[in-house]
Amino acid sequence: EDQVTQSPEALRLQEGESSSLNCSYTVSGLRGLFWYRQDPGKGPEFLFTLYSAGEEKEKERLKATLTKKESFLHITAPKPEDSATYLCAVQTNYGGATNKLIFGTGTLLAVQP
Amino acid sequence: EAGVTQSPTHLIKTRGQQATLRCSPISGHTSVYWYQQALGLGLQFLLWYDEGEERNRGNFPPRFSGRQFPNYSSELNVNALELEDSALYLCASSAGGAQETQYFGPGTRLLVL
Repeated sequence: EDQVTQSPEALRLQEGESSSLNCSYTVSGLRGLFWYRQDPGKGPEFLFTLYSAGEEKEKERLKATLTKKESFLHITAPKPEDSATYLCAVQTNYGGATNKLIFGTGTLLAVQP
Repeated sequence: EAGVTQSPTHLIKTRGQQATLRCSPISGHTSVYWYQQALGLGLQFLLWYDEGEERNRGNFPPRFSGRQFPNYSSELNVNALELEDSALYLCASSAGGAQETQYFGPGTRLLVL
C-alpha cells in the first residue's frame, strides 16, 4: 500500500535556527513528489514539485531535495512568517492515470521571534 | 490571475441532510479534484473530474458524488450527512496533461450537527 510519512509531527524553532523536515514514502512507482504549505483554516499553497532522485528546488529560505526513499524540506534562517503546516504528497504511476495525491499528515512548524 | 474559488466558505447542516459544495478552477484548467481534510487527519482524495468525466474516486461511500460542468466548474454533493462528514472540503485544479501540479482553493468548512 502506498504510504507517506512525515516527521517530526511538530517542530519549534527560534528565528534564524535552520532545520529540515522529512517526508519518507513507500509507493509502487513515483510520478512526482509535492510540497505544500498550509496556514490554519486555509487551503494548501503549492511550494515545489520534484520528479526524480537527486533533484533539488529552492525558493527563498526553502530548499527541497529528493532521494529514492525520501524528501527533505530544508528551512534556512526561518522567520516567524514561515510558521505553518508543511504537507508532503506523492503521485504514483501504479494503476493507470489516477492523478490523486497521497498526503502525509504534515509537520507543524512554529518559528518564535 | 484568479486562483481556485470555492463556495460557500462555511456550511452548517444537520444529520441526514444533503450538502452541495461548489468549485471554480483556475482559468484554463480542465481537471478538478476534491479532497476531505477531517480534524486531525491528512487530506484524503475524494474525486477527480476531467473534461466533464469522473476519472477516479477515492475510498468514500457512494453518497459522496459530484459532477463537472462544461465551463469546468464542479460541484460536490454529500447525501445523508453523518456527523463524521464534518471536515474542510478542498477543491484543487490542474491544467492536465504534463502539468500535474494541483492548486488548491480555500476550502469549504462543513459542520454536521
